[in-house]
Amino acid sequence: DAGITQSPRHKVTETGTPVTLRCHQTENHRYMYWYRQDPGHGLRLIHYSYGVKDTDKGEVSDGYSVSRSKTEDFLLTLESATSSQTSVYFCAISESGMGHEKLFFGSGTQLSVL
Amino acid sequence: ELKVEQNPLFLSMQEGKNYTIYCNYSTTSDRLYWYRQDPGKSLESLFVLLSNGAVKQEGRLMASLDTKARLSTLHITAAVHDLSATYFCAVTRANSKLTFGKGITLSVRP
Repeated sequence: DAGITQSPRHKVTETGTPVTLRCHQTENHRYMYWYRQDPGHGLRLIHYSYGVKDTDKGEVSDGYSVSRSKTEDFLLTLESATSSQTSVYFCAISESGMGHEKLFFGSGTQLSVL
Repeated sequence: ELKVEQNPLFLSMQEGKNYTIYCNYSTTSDRLYWYRQDPGKSLESLFVLLSNGAVKQEGRLMASLDTKARLSTLHITAAVHDLSATYFCAVTRANSKLTFGKGITLSVRP
């Protein structure tokens, strides 16, 4: 998967608990993205990063925060997980930014919030 | 706002027959991508279409782009079981983030 590792691959948690998902890349790509995939919605962008400490919101960012302290790592945090955040989360990377992205995706994290 | 529509959302195909699926988008775009996703797996890039009239082919799949109609088609020739998957198109333009369609799930039956 193009040198992208997501961890954990599966997680079950309870409502109200904090959760952090990790994306690690070995490609040295500048751009990193977090998407969620839900039936009937396709993929929706949560947050993205265009460099170390440079991040911006996507279309479904409420309830999520991100951090990128190193080029290779992009963390997605659910401060207080809710059942509506049960989803499959994909990290993606790209060498180029807006208008020219070709995304490479990680294997995904299945998150269940009970 | 850039919107991407795919249809149909589900298509049952018979082995050996030809089919076409569609991707419409709402505003001018710079690039259109097709991705494939196998059940429980990640997304894999299939094609990038950059300009009007662009055609890309790989194996039994051929993708084309008509920017005037804001339409991309993915043509499947002589469907085989291995093509069973969900196919996403995604569209981007300058200073705008990549927008995905909801995906079309193809199932090939004997």
